[in-house]
Amino acid sequence: EVQLLESGGGLEQPGGSLRLSCAASGFTFSNYAMGWVRQAPGKGLEWVSAISGSGGYTYYADSVQGRSTISRDDAKSTLYLEMNSLRAEDTALYFCAKRSARTSGWFDDWGQGTLVTVSP
Amino acid sequence: EIVMTQSPANLSVSPGERATLSCRASQGVSSNLAWYQQKPGQAPRLLISGASTRTTAFPARFSGSGSGTEFTLTISSLQSEDFAVYYCQQYNSWPLTFGGGTKVEI
Repeated sequence: EVQLLESGGGLEQPGGSLRLSCAASGFTFSNYAMGWVRQAPGKGLEWVSAISGSGGYTYYADSVQGRSTISRDDAKSTLYLEMNSLRAEDTALYFCAKRSARTSGWFDDWGQGTLVTVSP
Repeated sequence: EIVMTQSPANLSVSPGERATLSCRASQGVSSNLAWYQQKPGQAPRLLISGASTRTTAFPARFSGSGSGTEFTLTISSLQSEDFAVYYCQQYNSWPLTFGGGTKVEI
């Protein structure tokens, strides 16, 4: 059974930084692309970032480009998202999601999310 | 960026009735379209991939169709557990984009 467990969320100051983690189990982590999707309170889903199975390719939404870094540690089966220069509009529930293939595909498994609140 | 537009935003349906949800892409995405179901307080769940391939976790009353720019999710006979928000998402090109969602309610 695929399990994705996010952590690292919390209350952050505007302009601050955070690192989200996603511990994966139940599948061969290195074989799959992974991503982060967020959901602001009461709003829809917004794709944030993705990384290929090899880690060689990374992609970002314009809303976080330049202030976010996605990475993975295949030895630890863990996905990360570092964000800096946090803004109020980054407040959201951040989901870690597994893609269906090494470089592309849909999101076939999701974690329960970690809540990030950016507020003074 | 490919904009995904879902309609209607809200759909009121009675149990046992048919529900038809639409998703339109601003550019062609071939069949690289997924549907997700999200219930309150839960993570999204993959419902359909490749525009029409239903996951085994969902019953046959759910079906997807379409290609290019026009897609449809049909729930043939709504059950109480189907009341949720449904999102479409294209994975044909970067950035990945989701539709705004359709809330199916009683």
